[in-house]
This record gives sequence, C-alpha cells and structure tokens, in this order.
Amino acid sequence: DVKVTQSSRYLVKRTGEKVFLECVQDMDHENMFWYRQDPGLGLRLIYFSYDVKMKEKGDIPEGYSVSREKKERFSLILESASTNQTSMYLCASSLGRAPPFFGQGTRLTVV
Amino acid sequence: GNSVTQMEGPVTLSEEAFLTINCTYTATGYPSLFWYVQYPGEGLQLLLKATKADDKGSNKGFEATYRKETTSFHLEKGSVQVSDSAVYFCALSEGGSYIPTFGRGTSLIVHP
Repeated sequence: DVKVTQSSRYLVKRTGEKVFLECVQDMDHENMFWYRQDPGLGLRLIYFSYDVKMKEKGDIPEGYSVSREKKERFSLILESASTNQTSMYLCASSLGRAPPFFGQGTRLTVV
Repeated sequence: GNSVTQMEGPVTLSEEAFLTINCTYTATGYPSLFWYVQYPGEGLQLLLKATKADDKGSNKGFEATYRKETTSFHLEKGSVQVSDSAVYFCALSEGGSYIPTFGRGTSLIVHP
C-alpha cells in the first residue's frame, strides 16, 4: 500500500511565524500535491510538483512556497503565518495520471 | 477547462436507506473518473474508479457507472450504515494534465 505521511496531525502556530509542513511518500511517485480544505470550498490546490525541484502554482499559491529537494519529500512553507491560513492541509502523491493517494491531513491553527 | 459538479449536501438518511450522490462532469478529452471518501478528521481515500464508458466501479457496497452520454458518474449504495457518514468527493483525471479536478464534496449523514 502507498503511504503518504504528513509530519503532524495538529499544529498551532503564532501569527508571523514561519511554518513548515512536511510530507513524505514511499512509492516513488513523481507527482506531489498540496491542497487546502475549508468548509464549503472543497479542495483548493496550492502547489503541484511533477519532479524534484520542479513546481507549479495551483489556484491559491499566495502566502505559500514549496520545496522538493528529494523525490519522496514535498514541503509546504508558510513564510509568515496569518490567521486566514488556519485550515486543513492535505498532501497527496500520484504516478502519472493515476488517482492520487492522500495523507491524513494537518489541521493548522494560527493564533 | 475541466469541471466536476456534485449535489450539495448534507444528504441525511436513515440507516438502511438507498443512497445516490449525483456527479456530472465537463472534460475536454476522455477522462477517468473517481470517487473518494473522507471520514471525519482524516485525509481522502480512493473509494472506486472507472476509466472508460460503461465501466462500473465498485467497493464496500458502493457503485458508480461511467455514463459518457450523460457525462455522469453517480455514486450509489443500496443500504447505508451509520459508519458511511463522511464527505464524498467526485473527481476526474484527463489526459492533458497530471492534476485531477475535484468536485466540492457532498456530506452524508446517516442516522441510526
């Protein structure tokens, strides 16, 4: 079974902090994704990576950056956390155009 | 571009009732279609998929048939249980992109 592991289930950070959300997958998938999920808005794509060091902006990249130095790891960075970034963050990975596998999610609260 | 439209929720049912969650899509090519389930506080899990017209995906008593003529992929289950309470997402993947398109999700609440 493919495993996508996010480093934290719950995270509480202060406004202005730099926040790192880590995601690791164990199936050599070339594609990795970061989504944000908010009530009534569904899933919104923040960033997508199709290879090491390669990335594409999604629908809502503002206030976020990403890093993919190794194939199995995709990090989401909040440069200066704000309260409107309080949300559920979901990482996913996929092989080609196969349906992605998701991690368990990180519920981030910015206070 | 591609899009997926799901019925708005929440859908509220009694245990053992029949479930239908509607999903229709727009795609430029010939997509593969998926249903995901998200239990409270968890990530999304792939529930079933279909890759060509008239294919039926099935898993855990859920079924969905790929209907090209009506561009639909409705999710059905004959007898729901309380444990089926979750959010269900319809999605598609189409040849031109590695990025799947998701619907907004439909919340299902099943009462005993």
